[in-house]
Amino acid sequence: QVQLQESGPGLVKPSETLSLTCAVSGGSISSSNWWSWVRQSPGKGLEWIGEIFHSGSTNYNPSLKSRVTISLDKSKNQFSLKLSSVTAADTAVYYCARVSILAAGTIDYWGQGTLVTVSS
Amino acid sequence: DIQMTQSPSSVSASVGDRVTITCRASQGISRWLVWYQQKPGKAPKLLIYTASSLQSGVPSRFSGSGSGTDFTLTISSLQPEDFATYYCQQAKIFPYTFGQGTKLEIK
Repeated sequence: QVQLQESGPGLVKPSETLSLTCAVSGGSISSSNWWSWVRQSPGKGLEWIGEIFHSGSTNYNPSLKSRVTISLDKSKNQFSLKLSSVTAADTAVYYCARVSILAAGTIDYWGQGTLVTVSS
Repeated sequence: DIQMTQSPSSVSASVGDRVTITCRASQGISRWLVWYQQKPGKAPKLLIYTASSLQSGVPSRFSGSGSGTDFTLTISSLQPEDFATYYCQQAKIFPYTFGQGTKLEIK
């Protein structure tokens, strides 16, 4: 059973960089899955931020592309999200997730989510 | 980006009822449509992928249909644990996008 667990600061100041890590257990980050970040806020609903493959290939949502970096750490079996120059609009619950190999763009495992608040 | 529109935004129903939720895409997405269920304070849970394929472990009272731009999720006989919010998501073109959700409430 694959499990994902997000970690990182719950409070980030405006203009700073949001950094989150997702630890994967019960499966390898080097498998043939894409690994993704999705966020959920009352104002914008669910939003797919981006995804990364074990080769390092990435896809980023164009609306966030200039501020987003997703990376892998195979030695720790984890992947990370960095979102720069945050504003209050980036306040959301952030989920890390695994994309199914059965169907592209389909998330079959989700982390529990972590609330990140942007405020001074 | 492809816009996904769900209807209704909320629905009240009773245990044992049959419920149908609709999702419309702003352009054709073939059968690249996913349905999730989300309960308060929890992550979404995968129910159906490629419009009609039931995820392993999901009860058979859940079914999906459609192709192109119009899709439906049907729950044949509502159970108490089915009261939740349901989201559709297109998986055809990145960035993948979600509907705004349909909240299924107890009547």
